[in-house]
Amino acid sequence: QVQLVQSGAEVKKPGASVKVSCKTSGYTFTDYYMDWVRQAPGQGLEWMGRIDPDGGGTNYAHNFQGRVTVTRDTSISTAYMELSSLRSDDTAIYYCVTERDTNGYFYFDQWGQGTLVTVSS
Amino acid sequence: DIQMTQSPSSLSASVGDRVTITCRASQRIFKFLNWYQQKPGKAPKVLIYAASSLQSGVPSRFSGSASGTDFTLTISSLQPEDFATYFCQQSYSTPRTFGLGTRVEMK
Repeated sequence: QVQLVQSGAEVKKPGASVKVSCKTSGYTFTDYYMDWVRQAPGQGLEWMGRIDPDGGGTNYAHNFQGRVTVTRDTSISTAYMELSSLRSDDTAIYYCVTERDTNGYFYFDQWGQGTLVTVSS
Repeated sequence: DIQMTQSPSSLSASVGDRVTITCRASQRIFKFLNWYQQKPGKAPKVLIYAASSLQSGVPSRFSGSASGTDFTLTISSLQPEDFATYFCQQSYSTPRTFGLGTRVEMK
């Protein structure tokens, strides 16, 4: 079965960077986009960006432009999201999620378990 | 960016009630609209994609419809396991954007 297993919780100081990994199994890693979505405590869902694991092309949300980098290592079917210049309002659960295409319509299909990133001095 | 305006932000309902949640896009997105259910401490789960297509394994009491830039998620007969938060999301363009969510609570 499809599994997306994320790295563990992180506590970072303001100004630092964090890199979250998302190891996949159970499907062909290059078949679907891998997106990153975050959720601040008690808040809604915010899309951060995505990568095409096949060619490596990326798209990012304007809010994170310059601070977020999504990469992948196809040899180990793993995607990464790095967020720099962390602020307290970056405290959130970060999810990786596959973006599946059915008949040309995209939707978020399989989700990782989430990684809590806490930014505190 | 496409803005998704979801309403209501919360509602109270009883088991067996018919529940309707709406989402309005700031521009035409055709059928590129998805609905997700999220329970506390869990990742979201897709219910409906392409505005009205039921994801495999999702009960048929969930349905979606579209009219212009307005989209509706309907739960025909609310079950105890349906108390959760629901989000709409557009996949017409990047950046992908979500509605703010609707919390369905027990009356």
